[in-house]
Amino acid sequence: AQRVTQPEKLLSVFKGAPVELKCNYSYSGSPELFWYVQYSRQRLQLLLRHISRESIKGFTADLNKGETSFHLKKPFAQEEDSAMYYCALDAGGTSYGKLTFGQGTILTVHP
Amino acid sequence: DTGVSQDPRHKITKRGQNVTFRCDPISEHNRLYWYRQTLGQGPEFLTYFQNEAQLEKSRLLSDRFSAERPKGSFSTLEIQRTEQGDSAMYLCASAGTTYEQYFGPGTRLTVT
Repeated sequence: AQRVTQPEKLLSVFKGAPVELKCNYSYSGSPELFWYVQYSRQRLQLLLRHISRESIKGFTADLNKGETSFHLKKPFAQEEDSAMYYCALDAGGTSYGKLTFGQGTILTVHP
Repeated sequence: DTGVSQDPRHKITKRGQNVTFRCDPISEHNRLYWYRQTLGQGPEFLTYFQNEAQLEKSRLLSDRFSAERPKGSFSTLEIQRTEQGDSAMYLCASAGTTYEQYFGPGTRLTVT
């Protein structure tokens, strides 16, 4: 069975500092990885997915199959980045669309 | 279309009572998912539909839980004989051809 681990429940940085939210996964196949974000009093929304290889709001994430990681990075954090971030995995195949989420990391960016 | 909607937003019920939640997906989306989220955890998959067909159910979904999606439009999730352990946020998401899931605001259930 697949599993997603986000080792940090809380992460605090100052505005302008680099930020990295860690995500590790375990799955024997070729999964699709996502980062979802939930801002205060808003619904969960997709931030980025690895197959699109896009940079959204300055965030990037690279899938490292050797290390089974999908860390989320931003070179210069902004206060508006403060939110809950979830890493999620889609195993594909007959379960395509069924997401397995990590426990989440609360990011706080201080002024 | 304002996105995925869920009703009610909050539900308080006594142990042993039945509750039913509704999810209205984005109109052109044929896939609909239910997740449960407890405090401090990420969402956990419960079940999903493609059109009106329920294609997969998690082992988390005991016999007390049932979900339907008549006519492939809105969906309902019913919990019978609620237990305190059922207290959680119940999230609904829908997806179309891109498979990107759009989440609703959730229904927070409290069982007293």
